[in-house]
Amino acid sequence: DVKVTQSSRYLVKRTGEKVFLECVQDMDHENMFWYRQDPGLGLRLIYFSYDVKMKEKGDIPEGYSVSREKKERFSLILESASTNQTSMYLCASSREGHSWQPQHFGDGTRLSIL
Amino acid sequence: DQQVKQNSPSLSVQEGRISILNCDYTNSMFDYFLWYKKYPAEGPTFLISISSIKDKNEDGRFTVFLNKSAKHLSLHIVPSQPGDSAVYFCAASGGTYKYIFGTGTRLKVLA
Repeated sequence: DVKVTQSSRYLVKRTGEKVFLECVQDMDHENMFWYRQDPGLGLRLIYFSYDVKMKEKGDIPEGYSVSREKKERFSLILESASTNQTSMYLCASSREGHSWQPQHFGDGTRLSIL
Repeated sequence: DQQVKQNSPSLSVQEGRISILNCDYTNSMFDYFLWYKKYPAEGPTFLISISSIKDKNEDGRFTVFLNKSAKHLSLHIVPSQPGDSAVYFCAASGGTYKYIFGTGTRLKVLA
């Protein structure tokens, strides 16, 4: 069974801090994704990576960056946290191949920026 | 511009009856569609998918129907069970790794 693990379930940070959200998957998946989930807006893609050191912007990349130094680990970085980045953050992974590969999600990190 | 829309934010159904969750999309290039289920405090889990070359896919109590001309898909759950109470997201892809997700429908199955 695929396991996607997000390092924190709940996180509270202050405005202006640099915040790191970590995600690890154990199924040797090539693709990894970061989403945020907000009420009434569904899941919105922030960044994704299709290989080590490769990344592409999603629909809402502003204020975020990512790092993928190893295949199993994908980090989301909030360069200078702001209150509008308070949200539920979800990491996902999927196998290489056609788009029909389903994405497997972690349990999420609920981030509050004060 | 919301390319994938779930117009019903919530739905209540009696246990044992059919639940029908709807999803509309605007991009005719989408060729693969999925449904995910999400319980509180957990990540979404993959439920069922359908390719654009099909109009129906069935997996146990879950059936997804695709109407390409109407750009509409629906998820049928028969019979509905209390454990099906969750938020359901539809998602669509157009030949890339990226999925566009709808806003979700909260299903409550009443015992």
